[in-house]
Amino acid sequence: ETGVTQTPRHLVMGMTNKKSLKCEQHLGHNAMYWYKQSAKKPLELMFVYNFKEQTENNSVPSRFSPECPNSSHLFLHLHTLQPEDSALYLCASSQDASGGAETQYFGPGTRLLVL
Amino acid sequence: LAKTTQPISMDSYEGQEVNITCSHNNIATNDYITWYQQFPSQGPRFIIQGYKTKVTNEVASLFIPADRKSSTLSLPRVSLSDTAVYYCLVGDGSSGGSYIPTFGRGTSLIVHP
Repeated sequence: ETGVTQTPRHLVMGMTNKKSLKCEQHLGHNAMYWYKQSAKKPLELMFVYNFKEQTENNSVPSRFSPECPNSSHLFLHLHTLQPEDSALYLCASSQDASGGAETQYFGPGTRLLVL
Repeated sequence: LAKTTQPISMDSYEGQEVNITCSHNNIATNDYITWYQQFPSQGPRFIIQGYKTKVTNEVASLFIPADRKSSTLSLPRVSLSDTAVYYCLVGDGSSGGSYIPTFGRGTSLIVHP
């Protein structure tokens, strides 16, 4: 499945590091999403971009900084993270983000470990 | 905000039909019902979507009663590879016109040999 790709697949970082997660979708979609999934917890929506504009920030701490340079690419910049930020970070895309019938396509995720 | 309620877990055996019911009492007129499947350490995968009555595809069937306050995902003749978490979502366009997808805890289905 190459519709939505994420890199890196695994990342280990210290609390003082700065790193970035990358997501790319090859589906011609206009909406992209970041989710966090901690162990045995539901997916938590973090950010939504629709036509490159951020339309949702779900009270995410400022140590997570999203960037959407175009409709095909989405980044999540990480700095001064905490161990509790260790989780699976999932990117998704959909045709757009304005309807309740939107089907989301997910990437494989980045498994992040903060030491 | 439409919320969904699903059983936390279910057990089944290979070859059986599995029905997972989701309650969504506050579903809005324009909301669709979408089901996803998630394997460990992978992103969720779309299974099926419907608005009313019955929808069937090569993977599953979705039954939606007339009042649309619940829906049932039906997996025919499950196999071990169907062991996964299944999520029910309803559309929510109430926040400034943007769709806010909300995944609950889902239903953890375990298929036994």
